[in-house]
Amino acid sequence: DGGITQSPKYLFRKEGQNVTLSCEQNLNHDAMYWYRQDPGQGLRLIYYSHIVNDFQKGDIAEGYSVSREKKESFPLTVTSAQKNPTAFYLCASRRDGWNTEAFFGQGTRLTVV
Amino acid sequence: EDKVVQSPLSLVVHEGDTVTLNCSYEVTNFRSLLWYKQEKKAPTFLFMLTSSGIEKKSGRLSSILDKKELFSILNITATQTGDSAVYLCAVEIPRLNYGGSQGNLIFGKGTKLSVKP
Repeated sequence: DGGITQSPKYLFRKEGQNVTLSCEQNLNHDAMYWYRQDPGQGLRLIYYSHIVNDFQKGDIAEGYSVSREKKESFPLTVTSAQKNPTAFYLCASRRDGWNTEAFFGQGTRLTVV
Repeated sequence: EDKVVQSPLSLVVHEGDTVTLNCSYEVTNFRSLLWYKQEKKAPTFLFMLTSSGIEKKSGRLSSILDKKELFSILNITATQTGDSAVYLCAVEIPRLNYGGSQGNLIFGKGTKLSVKP
């Protein structure tokens, strides 16, 4: 079955540590996205990539980094510079072109302890 | 600044009621508007709207877009407890500094719908 897989589902991090969230898709989509979801805030765009080896900052990129070495993979690193990292993180992908729906992974809930 | 505003932010109804969720937007170069349902984790796609006045329908759910007044509504008739979820509205806009044929999605904050038995 085609889809997007995020791992892990739950992640605990100590303050000062970097953590990497995995996102893999086998839908052959060119575009991939990372969103952060906080209660009452909807989805906010962290980073996006429309092609391998290229990515762009979204609205809240500070404290995060990404890579896009393969079409299928778009990992997100939450660095120690992110002051409030506890949140629900969603990865999404879309086909190239206009008016295409985004498909989402099941999300990773990150908690700083 | 591009923005998508959903209302109400939360809503509690009883089974059998009909509800209308609202989504208004202010964006440059509108391409499409999408509705998603988020029950627990992954949002699932409901509708994509690109043209004004054409209703999209799926079972008890329907949606319509008004590009002149810059809003969309999502209707749910004869609500069931399984309709309880957060409903997200997103608008597609062109990527900044990119001449290709793809945009990004801007999401509203969502409407949390609770359907009581």
